[in-house]
Amino acid sequence: GQQVMQIPQYQHVQEGEDFTTYCNSSTTLSNIQWYKQRPGGHPVFLIQLVKSGEVKKQKRLTFQFGEAKKNSSLHITATQTTDVGTYFCAGPNQAGTALIFGKGTTLSVSS
Amino acid sequence: SQTIHQWPATLVQPVGSPLSLECTVEGTSNPNLYWYRQAAGRGLQLLFYSIGIGQISSEVPQNLSASRPQDRQFILSSKKLLLSDSGFYLCAWTQGSYNEQFFGPGTRLTVL
Repeated sequence: GQQVMQIPQYQHVQEGEDFTTYCNSSTTLSNIQWYKQRPGGHPVFLIQLVKSGEVKKQKRLTFQFGEAKKNSSLHITATQTTDVGTYFCAGPNQAGTALIFGKGTTLSVSS
Repeated sequence: SQTIHQWPATLVQPVGSPLSLECTVEGTSNPNLYWYRQAAGRGLQLLFYSIGIGQISSEVPQNLSASRPQDRQFILSSKKLLLSDSGFYLCAWTQGSYNEQFFGPGTRLTVL
């Protein structure tokens, strides 16, 4: 079946270091979405990418959608302790009725 | 503005007991509604989704069921809980299948 995979599962960085998480889909996606879940909280939508090769920035966060629309990445520049949490990517299923989430990358940051 | 409510926030139940979790959405009509389960430190497992009143699709066979008695109400139920049902249950809504999902605060269920 359709799968969305993320790596790494966990990442620990020192504050100020950069961080990247990668997302790969087994099928071509119409769009890809990214969510952040703070410890003890619920997932919160960050961004949606739709176009092949699209790049979007939100302050220190840079999101990319691959040319083949099967992979994506989230890069955080100069991490801060507020970046701690689990980052999920998600893409629509083939029927377009639901999202398939990756298992997430949990980021921890030490100061 | 739209808001999504879930209750209860936490729940401790014995094995074999019934379950009813409720999710309601305000400020929108005819949303797509979703139930997810998240085991500790794990990803989001889609359990059920609904595109309209009385329309429920199940993603994973299990002892849980879902119902949508009203447009903005989504209920997750079980007749007999198992230990493996413990987890963080999240309800989410979206307007249209390709748009972002908005999650409720979740219910932390512990089955003992």
